[in-house]
Amino acid sequence: GAGVSQSPSNKVTEKGKDVELRCDPISGHTALYWYRQRLGQGLEFLIYFQGNSAPDKSGLPSDRFSAERTGESVSTLTIQRTQQEDSAVYLCASSRDRDGRNYGYTFGSGTRLTVV
Amino acid sequence: SQQGEEDPQALSIQEGENATMNCSYKTSINNLQWYRQNSGRGLVHLILIRSNEREKHSGRLRVTLDTSKKSSSLLITASRAADTASYFCATDASLGGADGLTFGKGTHLIIQP
Repeated sequence: GAGVSQSPSNKVTEKGKDVELRCDPISGHTALYWYRQRLGQGLEFLIYFQGNSAPDKSGLPSDRFSAERTGESVSTLTIQRTQQEDSAVYLCASSRDRDGRNYGYTFGSGTRLTVV
Repeated sequence: SQQGEEDPQALSIQEGENATMNCSYKTSINNLQWYRQNSGRGLVHLILIRSNEREKHSGRLRVTLDTSKKSSSLLITASRAADTASYFCATDASLGGADGLTFGKGTHLIIQP
């Protein structure tokens, strides 16, 4: 597609439920990133996928968080047993090269997650 | 850990004035990028400056990079109301083995009409 697409755009869930967030990167972009942004804060790195290499999961805050990516296409971020502290905007970005070192990242519009 | 730190945290100026935002970082970088975010949603890539460059222009934007001081500045000239947004610097520290860009907390810019 023309841009990075994320769904849903908004999600309200009850504490303790599982949620799945989806990201469709730009076709041909080998690198995909998930970030979390709490209200009024900067972006917190979660996970990075590069081609078929093993993902860098170093930013995942707990074992309740997991992410998958099939090849160079769609990625899903799953949060199990959600907590109120998980409330944030989850942003996905893709780039045509590693670390966006030539062209930068293209971001989706994010999923605003609210845990009540 | 926070790599980039923007300064000031908030800036309010009159339309037509120039806006300057600064960014400091801690480790060696491959490049530094500036992004704009409207209404707390997706970020838009503005400009990328490599570690061997000192200054770069794009339209009304001017970015400088001083690797000796580990700092960068973003200048927006002749500001417009539509420039109201949060601006983030992001560093590519992949030379040090890190993956992904590291973002600062941003500068919230308000342009008063």
